[in-house]
Amino acid sequence: DAGVTQSPTHLIKTRGQQVTLRCSPKSGHDTVSWYQQALGQGPQFIFQYYEEEERQRGNFPDRFSGHQFPNYSSELNVNALLLGDSALYLCASSGFGEEGANVLTFGAGSRLTVL
Amino acid sequence: QQQVKQSPQSLIVQKGGISIINCAYENTAFDYFPWYQQFPGKGPALLIAIRPDVSEKKEGRFTISFNKSAKQFSLHIMDSQPGDSATYFCAASRYTSGTYKYIFGTGTRLKVLA
Repeated sequence: DAGVTQSPTHLIKTRGQQVTLRCSPKSGHDTVSWYQQALGQGPQFIFQYYEEEERQRGNFPDRFSGHQFPNYSSELNVNALLLGDSALYLCASSGFGEEGANVLTFGAGSRLTVL
Repeated sequence: QQQVKQSPQSLIVQKGGISIINCAYENTAFDYFPWYQQFPGKGPALLIAIRPDVSEKKEGRFTISFNKSAKQFSLHIMDSQPGDSATYFCAASRYTSGTYKYIFGTGTRLKVLA
């Protein structure tokens, strides 16, 4: 049973560039969330996609946008990159686990470095 | 109201000792409290979780203690091993606006000395 897969694993961009990160959810999961994790910090919620629509959004500027495809995979796009965007970007898919709880399953992340 | 406060920031424990990490929340609407374990270069992985109607849950060497009245919960790692060295995140989740929302603590970096 494949878990959440993300690509690329590492990438380096310069300020002002644009980046696209990709995510395939765990089999059976239809909801995808994206998180930003700065070094030494906990994951910060960016947004969530369900049925190809953005359902929730955290406190991130419009430079951060996303998309979900009919096969539930998702992309995160970041425009006009800033140095402060350097972080580990985590994709998490969610589904119902034991006790009926909605469980988040994370991918290994995409490490973005902005120079 | 949306914060989950986690302590300590870092923890060093001898092999065989007990590791204890604490979290506190404010919003009583949260109804699911998971702990995640993250190794360097990896994404967080679900370790153990609890609902607020239960005061304690144990899975192997890992135990969650939950105090609903104090709005606090903690992770206890018994017989800590060097392989437990990782960063641990607590989280709180609730259903709102048609979806589940998670708030994460800031993490505790655990080092278990051999």
